[in-house]
Amino acid sequence: SYVLTQPPSVSVAPGQTARLTCGGSNIESKSVNWYRQTPGQAPVLVLCDNSDRPSGIPERFSGSNSGNTATLTISRVEAGDEAAYYCQVWESTSDHPGVFGGGTKLTVL
Amino acid sequence: QVQLVQSGAEVTKPGASVKVSCKTSGYTFTGYHIHWVRQAPGQGLEWVGSVNPYSGGTEYAQKFRGRIILTRDTSISTAYMELTGLRSDDTATYYCATEGGVPSVPYFDYWGQGTLVTVSS
Repeated sequence: SYVLTQPPSVSVAPGQTARLTCGGSNIESKSVNWYRQTPGQAPVLVLCDNSDRPSGIPERFSGSNSGNTATLTISRVEAGDEAAYYCQVWESTSDHPGVFGGGTKLTVL
Repeated sequence: QVQLVQSGAEVTKPGASVKVSCKTSGYTFTGYHIHWVRQAPGQGLEWVGSVNPYSGGTEYAQKFRGRIILTRDTSISTAYMELTGLRSDDTATYYCATEGGVPSVPYFDYWGQGTLVTVSS
């Protein structure tokens, strides 16, 4: 089945830019979605279809997808951005079509 | 507004079954697939399966086939997940979520609050 690889942790100072990566074979051919999850809460969709922001998600959140890496970029990071972030794709031909990355814990220093 | 409200926490024994409900409101229940995602304590997200509320059709992750049953009751806009033959490694928070996007490349846009299922002897 398809595998998505995320670094376990990323740290960034407030006001700086965080880049969270999601690696997968030829991932650029797929539509990547991103979720944010804080402890004890359900995940929240922050980007869909690589770079579209759902209603209510700040413009500071943007996405790209090229080659074997998709990237969630958070500009002007705030303390409230500290959370785990998961990428996700759908592999319709797989016996396990719903695929999540292992998640990245973003720490705001 | 769209809401998904799940049933309460469950504590059950190995070998038993559990059934979790997901009551929806604020949208046309039969218009969007419902997906189930689980998260073991301290771990990441894992897709379990999905149900088409309109047709009742289902799709399951291979590792759960034979143990999972996803159903729905359109009269009360509620989806259900039943997991049988429970093992200790089924201990997790189970989430329901609505499907957004097109069927070939769905994402999960609205989520329930989660239901903690604890399997312990």
